[in-house]
Amino acid sequence: QKEVEQDPGPLSVPEGAIVSLNCTYSNSAFQYFMWYRQYSRKGPELLMYTYSSGNKEDGRFTAQVDKSSKYISLFIRDSQPSDSATYLCAMSPIKAAGNKLTFGGGTRVLVKP
Amino acid sequence: ETGVTQTPRHLVMGMTNKKSLKCEQHLGHNAMYWYKQSAKKPLELMFVYSLEERVENNSVPSRFSPECPNSSHLFLHLHTLQPEDSALYLCASSQDPPSGRGYNEQFFGPGTRLTVL
Repeated sequence: QKEVEQDPGPLSVPEGAIVSLNCTYSNSAFQYFMWYRQYSRKGPELLMYTYSSGNKEDGRFTAQVDKSSKYISLFIRDSQPSDSATYLCAMSPIKAAGNKLTFGGGTRVLVKP
Repeated sequence: ETGVTQTPRHLVMGMTNKKSLKCEQHLGHNAMYWYKQSAKKPLELMFVYSLEERVENNSVPSRFSPECPNSSHLFLHLHTLQPEDSALYLCASSQDPPSGRGYNEQFFGPGTRLTVL
């Protein structure tokens, strides 16, 4: 069983729709939860991070963490064609660098005009 | 140059060749990482250097040899690779320990697309 599971997609939605992405994980030690966005032929870039459980909103993006269910989500409201990318969830047990991030496999999202 | 840069962007090599991938970070960080990204698989952490010392080596085959001469540069030396080593190789950097937010934000380069024939 993978430590972090993420549906590879592709997830195709019309412009303006809500995109809903999620990951499940098995390691209860994870404390920091991140979402990275990766455009084609580019490296991943950090979108949002959340510490422990709860919600966090940043513009059109909302990240949710439910540690009791070991489940995290990312919602993109009013989706745009420019949101078409692969979205990777990542998790870390503690905050010190030098500790590895564990990534999901990524979900490819396509927003159609 | 800004952020994290990687050269070359594309590399095709035979199984008997020796080549090197280069990464440079312009962010003043002191930790650097090599990842392998294969199709439909999660990013696999290969090596971590913190303060120029290797702190993580995830059972990577010896045909991959990292080198970190200083906190701004990271190399991955390749020799006698196999076709299954074809992938996107990503370099990342971060600050150790993290400042302010307290999480390990890693900044990625664009990657080197490696094809082994």
